[in-house]
Amino acid sequence: DSGVTQTPKHLITATGQRVTLRCSPRSGDLSVYWYQQSLDQGLQFLIQYYNGEERAKGNILERFSAQQFPDLHSELNLSSLELGDSALYFCASSHTGRGGLNEQYFGPGTRLTVT
Amino acid sequence: AQTVTQSQPEMSVQEAETVTLSCTYDTSENNYYLFWYKQPPSRQMILVIRQEAYKQQNATENRFSVNFQKAAKSFSLKISDSQLGDTAMYFCALLVYNTDKLIFGTGTRLQVFP
Repeated sequence: DSGVTQTPKHLITATGQRVTLRCSPRSGDLSVYWYQQSLDQGLQFLIQYYNGEERAKGNILERFSAQQFPDLHSELNLSSLELGDSALYFCASSHTGRGGLNEQYFGPGTRLTVT
Repeated sequence: AQTVTQSQPEMSVQEAETVTLSCTYDTSENNYYLFWYKQPPSRQMILVIRQEAYKQQNATENRFSVNFQKAAKSFSLKISDSQLGDTAMYFCALLVYNTDKLIFGTGTRLQVFP
């Protein structure tokens, strides 16, 4: 158990809908990262938050957004869902935001299926 | 741009034997870190081993060790005394200093046979 929690574990929804994925980082970790794992794109970095502020952006679609709250949990919002958004979404956390060895610990993931 | 390449989509090994998974990477940066992550059928991403680029000594964690060749930009993972529980997808990943963005390879599926 990495100490990172994600809810829900599974999510099935229809095209055009909006969903919210939730992540709680390990105790003491200030950074949260979101990754998408799909069959055709592999594991891709989406976005990083550090202590409530966006720190880095990757290949995140405009239909996707995220935020980190004062209690450091994070939410990833996916809207106007398409079939291709079906994937495993991972949250990871680390203690600091940047610099030095900053190991990222992954949550169990949320499996999103868009039908 | 940074890239990570794993050229072996699938590997298999018999229990108790040794297997080596290959990884090459590309970056123009001097300060970076390399990781191997394991993803078993449960889908959990588990950190197996890490290597700081400035360290010449290869990292070792119990049965897992790496062969880090900085000039060749190669970072292979050796699993000794393979166990059935080692069956998983293995991902090589690169983290450039001051970016925090992990760049993953496409993974190698390892099957350990009894």
